[in-house]
Amino acid sequence: TQLLEQSPQFLSIQEGENLTVYCNSSSVFSSLQWYRQEPGEGPVLLVTVVTGGEVKKLKRLTFQFGDARKDSSLHITAAQPGDTGLYLCAGAGGGGADGLTFGKGTHLIIQP
Amino acid sequence: GAGVSQSPSNKVTEKGKDVELRCDPISGHTALYWYRQSLGQGLEFLIYFQGNSAPDKSGLPSDRFSAERTGGSVSTLTIQRTQQEDSAVYLCASKLAGGVFTQYFGPGTRLTVL
Repeated sequence: TQLLEQSPQFLSIQEGENLTVYCNSSSVFSSLQWYRQEPGEGPVLLVTVVTGGEVKKLKRLTFQFGDARKDSSLHITAAQPGDTGLYLCAGAGGGGADGLTFGKGTHLIIQP
Repeated sequence: GAGVSQSPSNKVTEKGKDVELRCDPISGHTALYWYRQSLGQGLEFLIYFQGNSAPDKSGLPSDRFSAERTGGSVSTLTIQRTQQEDSAVYLCASKLAGGVFTQYFGPGTRLTVL
């Protein structure tokens, strides 16, 4: 069974601070996706990283895929209250559901 | 809107009753997934439909859970003889096809079993 461990599980910081969320596994994934979920809604895809070492930027969010394609990180610069939400990583490449395995998520709260 | 819709948004039932949850995928999407999201847990895959192929039921937790997809569109997830541990948010997602495409999620159905 492929497992994705996300850390931290909970993070509460002040507006303007930087933060990094981690997604780690002992398994290799062909690609990894990051989602953001707000209360009462389904997850929304933020980015897909495919190549080991790949870095993608989405405004103040920077996503990195590890060289060995086993881990990923999400870095947010100058966090805003609108960044508050549950961030989920999901790996593809093996198992059921088209090979998508989800982590438990990181609950992020940005306080104004 | 043209997104994935789910109904009902909330369902409260008594232990032992059967429930049906409905998912309307995005028109033209051939792939459809059901997930369960419990408090403190990630998304747990339940079942996957792709076109006319036999569904992947490998994630269904027990034989009380079943799902069907009629006409390649609407899907219904049925839970028989509900138990308290079935309480969770049930999410549906659709995708244009199998393979590397974006999954679009519905808002979910929050099921509470008393």
